[in-house]
Amino acid sequence: KAGVTQTPRYLIKTRGQQVTLSCSPISGHRSVSWYQQTPGQGLQFLFEYFSETQRNKGNFPGRFSGRQFSNSRSEMNVSTLELGDSALYLCASSFIGLASTNTGELFFGEGSRLTVL
Amino acid sequence: KNQVEQSPQSLIILEGKNCTLQCNYTVSPFSNLRWYKQDTGRGPVSLTIMTFSENTKSNGRYTATLDADTKQSSLHITASQLSDSASYICVVSGVNDMRFGAGTRLTVKP
Repeated sequence: KAGVTQTPRYLIKTRGQQVTLSCSPISGHRSVSWYQQTPGQGLQFLFEYFSETQRNKGNFPGRFSGRQFSNSRSEMNVSTLELGDSALYLCASSFIGLASTNTGELFFGEGSRLTVL
Repeated sequence: KNQVEQSPQSLIILEGKNCTLQCNYTVSPFSNLRWYKQDTGRGPVSLTIMTFSENTKSNGRYTATLDADTKQSSLHITASQLSDSASYICVVSGVNDMRFGAGTRLTVKP
């Protein structure tokens, strides 16, 4: 079956602009989680959506937001971009999500590489 | 302070050799620990998932161990191949919490 699809793969924005990234999970998966990856900070959890509801949230400012649609596709939005937002943004899908008792697989997409100039 | 510490930060080995990567964590309470392999420019791919009661889990040439008492895990790679060159990330889950290590960058040279 098709994997996790993220679009766009690459994009360049300037400071102050906003950006929307898209993630289509594996068919049947209801959980989509988002991560920011930078060389200095590694992978950092942004938030998780499960059945259109935000279930968990990491420690990021309110400029980072997301949503999930009824077909489980998710979007992530970053407003008022800063240079430090340059990163690889990864999403992951799973069947039952990031609940502490879950040992199911997380399937990652290839990421969207954002460069802020 | 990161609750998941990985060592070494980077490692270079010759093809065919074995290596061991370390992951120490302070996440508590502990739910599970995952090891991921991430090729450059790609998304992470799961290698193993271990719960509190599991001490060892293998996936081909990859063997992960977990000592929940000392809060340490290791990933042992046997008979390394050039394709093992990647970053290896340790991820520890607590209660509604997931913490990532900074990763170990492994380079396998011919």
